[in-house]
Amino acid sequence: EAQVTQNPRYLITVTGKKLTVTCSQNMNHEYMSWYRQDPGLGLRQIYYSMNVEVTDKGDVPEGYKVSRKEKRNFPLILESPSPNQTSLYFCASRPPRQGMNTEAFFGQGTRLTVV
Amino acid sequence: AQSVTQPDIHITVSEGASLELRCNYSYGATPYLFWYVQSPGQGLQLLLKYFSGDTLVQGIKGFEAEFKRSQSSFNLRKPSVHWSDAAEYFCAVGAPAGTASKLTFGTGTRLQVTL
Repeated sequence: EAQVTQNPRYLITVTGKKLTVTCSQNMNHEYMSWYRQDPGLGLRQIYYSMNVEVTDKGDVPEGYKVSRKEKRNFPLILESPSPNQTSLYFCASRPPRQGMNTEAFFGQGTRLTVV
Repeated sequence: AQSVTQPDIHITVSEGASLELRCNYSYGATPYLFWYVQSPGQGLQLLLKYFSGDTLVQGIKGFEAEFKRSQSSFNLRKPSVHWSDAAEYFCAVGAPAGTASKLTFGTGTRLQVTL
């Protein structure tokens, strides 16, 4: 089954304690991205990756890091989480850009609470 | 820069009534347009998409949307709403092939269905 898998689904952590949210897709998609969802703000892009070893900032990258060492995985790293990073996070992947269907597939989300 | 406006934060309709959710976009060229639905505690599910061709597109669960270039709109409609349609709905615009392939979301419209 084609899917994007995020882990964990729920996470409560303390300020400053490094954490990683994993994202894996089994569709051989080149393009992957991370979004955060906040009430009244919709989904905002944090980082995206066009392919292995190619990443770039989205609209709200501050306080986050990503890596793309393999095509299927795109972890989101919070080196020193702060309460304003409490949010619902979604990973998404899309097929290659050129002349193809560009529908995005989303993971189930990770609800992060930083206290 | 691309942007999406969903002017209605919250809409309440009676079961069996018709529904129209508004979406206006800003993009310099022909956009790729999407509607996603998010049920409580769930991830995002694609309802329908527009890439080119017929401006009236059919989606899942009986939804349809019409692309109107002159009005920069992509409104979502359903002739008869079911209680299970209560959810949050997001309109999104994507860049076409050959560009950064970023998806920009609106802030969402929360639909409440009364019995």
